[in-house]
Amino acid sequence: AQTVTQSQPEMSVQEAETVTLSCTYDTSESDYYLFWYKQPPSRQMILVIRQEAYKQQNATENRFSVNFQKAAKSFSLKISDSQLGDAAMYFCAYRIWDNAGNMLTFGGGTRLMVKP
Amino acid sequence: GAGVSQSPSNKVTEKGKDVELRCDPISGHTALYWYRQSLGQGLEFLIYFQGNSAPDKSGLPSDRFSAERTGGSVSTLTIQRTQQEDSAVYLCASSLSGLVAEPQLNEQFFGPGTRLTVL
Repeated sequence: AQTVTQSQPEMSVQEAETVTLSCTYDTSESDYYLFWYKQPPSRQMILVIRQEAYKQQNATENRFSVNFQKAAKSFSLKISDSQLGDAAMYFCAYRIWDNAGNMLTFGGGTRLMVKP
Repeated sequence: GAGVSQSPSNKVTEKGKDVELRCDPISGHTALYWYRQSLGQGLEFLIYFQGNSAPDKSGLPSDRFSAERTGGSVSTLTIQRTQQEDSAVYLCASSLSGLVAEPQLNEQFFGPGTRLTVL
């Protein structure tokens, strides 16, 4: 079974600074997807960024980028120029590459606080 | 609709009562997913529908939990004889399809969830 681990229950960053959230996963699959989701107090999960395991290039989306280390099974999220609106729970998630339902396996989450 | 909607937003019930949670997926999305988020934890997969069929019910925690989907649209998650450990946020998501690998076609869009409290 696949597992996803986020070792940082809480992180804090000063506004405009950079913060990195950690995620590791365990799988025997070679093809899969990795995701970072943001969950603000409204509870609605919002996709932040996605990485396909077969791609060596790290994904980027504006101020968000990942450091994907396939051999180490590590997938960290870097948030640059942090903004107050970035404060939320962040979840790392995994999905295998096939058409068997595409369910997501989530880590336990990291609460990010942004200080003004 | 514009997004995934869920009702009710909050539900408080007494132990032993049955509850029904509703999910309206994005129009045209054939795949629908239910997840449970217990306090301070990540999301736990419950069940997946492709159309009206549920090929994967592996996540349902007990036989008190059941779900159905009708007309390839609305889904209802039913919890019978609720227990205090059922207290959680129940999130629904939908995607264009659950049958293909392309991320553009199976990205999951989440609703705001139903917070269930069992007293």
